[in-house]
Amino acid sequence: KNQVEQSPQSLIILEGKNCTLQCNYTVSPFSNLRWYKQDTGRGPVSLTIMTFSENTKSNGRYTATLDADTKQSSLHITASQLSDSASYICVVSGDTDKLIFGTGTRLQVFP
Amino acid sequence: ETGVTQSPTHLIKTRGQQVTLRCSSQSGHNTVSWYQQALGQGPQFIFQYYREEENGRGNFPPRFSGLQFPNYSSELNVNALELDDSALYLCASSLGLRTSSADTQYFGPGTRLTVL
Repeated sequence: KNQVEQSPQSLIILEGKNCTLQCNYTVSPFSNLRWYKQDTGRGPVSLTIMTFSENTKSNGRYTATLDADTKQSSLHITASQLSDSASYICVVSGDTDKLIFGTGTRLQVFP
Repeated sequence: ETGVTQSPTHLIKTRGQQVTLRCSSQSGHNTVSWYQQALGQGPQFIFQYYREEENGRGNFPPRFSGLQFPNYSSELNVNALELDDSALYLCASSLGLRTSSADTQYFGPGTRLTVL
């Protein structure tokens, strides 16, 4: 069964600290992996998209990595800010038109 | 802002009623997808439209139906509402046909539906 699992489920960090969110997937065949940021009650906003041949991609303070062999991805947030408080969702696409969403990691950044 | 808008923002209905949710995609985006997101969960794919034709469907019953119009707007219709239909409904638009391509999907802000 195609699944996307994320860890941790929730995370609390202090402003200025770094953190790393994990995503493991069993989707096969694999086409691409996306990380989205979703503020409470809002639609998700794309952070990165990586295809099979890419193993890292950055978007400002966000850096995503992909290991297609182990089917793992991570999202690293550097020098966190209060505005980083949100849910971060890992989404994997196979060879169909469906995107398979993880349940997200809820990040809270405190001053 | 993603350039994708949805209306209404919030909606309250009672069980058994029908509801229509609307989405306006980015101009030039031929593909629109609809998702249901229950509280604390990731979005679940409902269906996708490409150039006004349904192009894929998730595990949702036929009482969930949709339309896409030539002016890049679309609708999600839900008949015979059930309590479990309470959720955030998201639409997302993209340029290409296949979401398995690396096209970015642009999500709207969602419509919060509450069924009493």
